Amino acid sequence: AQSVTQLGSHVSVSEGALVLLRCNYSSSVPPYLFWYVQYPNQGLQLLLKYTTGATLVKGINGFEAEFKKSETSFHLTKPSAHMSDAAEYFCAVSPLGDKIIFGKGTRLHILP
Amino acid sequence: DAGVTQSPTHLIKTRGQQVTLRCSPKSGHDTVSWYQQALGQGPQFIFQYYEEEERQRGNFPDRFSGHQFPNYSSELNVNALLLGDSALYLCASSLNSAGELFFGEGSRLTVL
Repeated sequence: AQSVTQLGSHVSVSEGALVLLRCNYSSSVPPYLFWYVQYPNQGLQLLLKYTTGATLVKGINGFEAEFKKSETSFHLTKPSAHMSDAAEYFCAVSPLGDKIIFGKGTRLHILP
Repeated sequence: DAGVTQSPTHLIKTRGQQVTLRCSPKSGHDTVSWYQQALGQGPQFIFQYYEEEERQRGNFPDRFSGHQFPNYSSELNVNALLLGDSALYLCASSLNSAGELFFGEGSRLTVL
C-alpha cells in the first residue's frame, strides 16, 4: 500500500531562515511525488511535482524538493523563509499516476 | 479562464439528512476527483470520475456517491449524514486520471 509520512505537524522558522519540511513515502511502484500548499480557507495549490528525470525539482515561490529513492524521501526546502510562506503544506504520492494520496500535512509558522 | 468552482461554499445539515455538492472543472479538463478533508487532516480520496463513470474509489462507504455529467461537471452526494461527515469537501479536476490536479476552494459541510 502507498502512504506518505510528514515529519512534524508544526514547523516554525524565523523569517529569512531555511525552510525544511520532511516527507517520506512508501510505494510498491515508481511514484509520482507532489507538494501542495493550502492557505486558510482555500483549496490546494501545486508547488511542485516529480514524475521522472531530474531528481531535484524546482517549484513556485522559490521552493524545491529532491527525490531520493534510496531514502524514500521527498523533502521540501526554501533557502529563505518569507512571512507569506505561512500555510499548510501537504506531501503526496501517486503510484504511476494513480489516485493521489496525501500526508497529514505540516503547518509552517514564520517567526518575525 | 475559470478554474475549478464548487458550490455551495458552506452548508449546515443535521444527522440523517442528505447533501449534494457540485463541482465545475477547469476548462479543458475531463476528469474530476473528490476529496474529504477533516479538520487538521490531509485530504482523503473519495472517488474519481471520467467519461461519466466512477473509475477509482477510496475507502468510503456507499453512502457517498457521485455523478459526472456530459459537460464534465460533477456532483457528490452523501446520504444519511453522520457527525463525522463534517469536513471540507474538495473537488479537483485534471486532464485524464494521471494529470496534474487543480483544486477548487471546497465546500465546508457541518453536520449537527
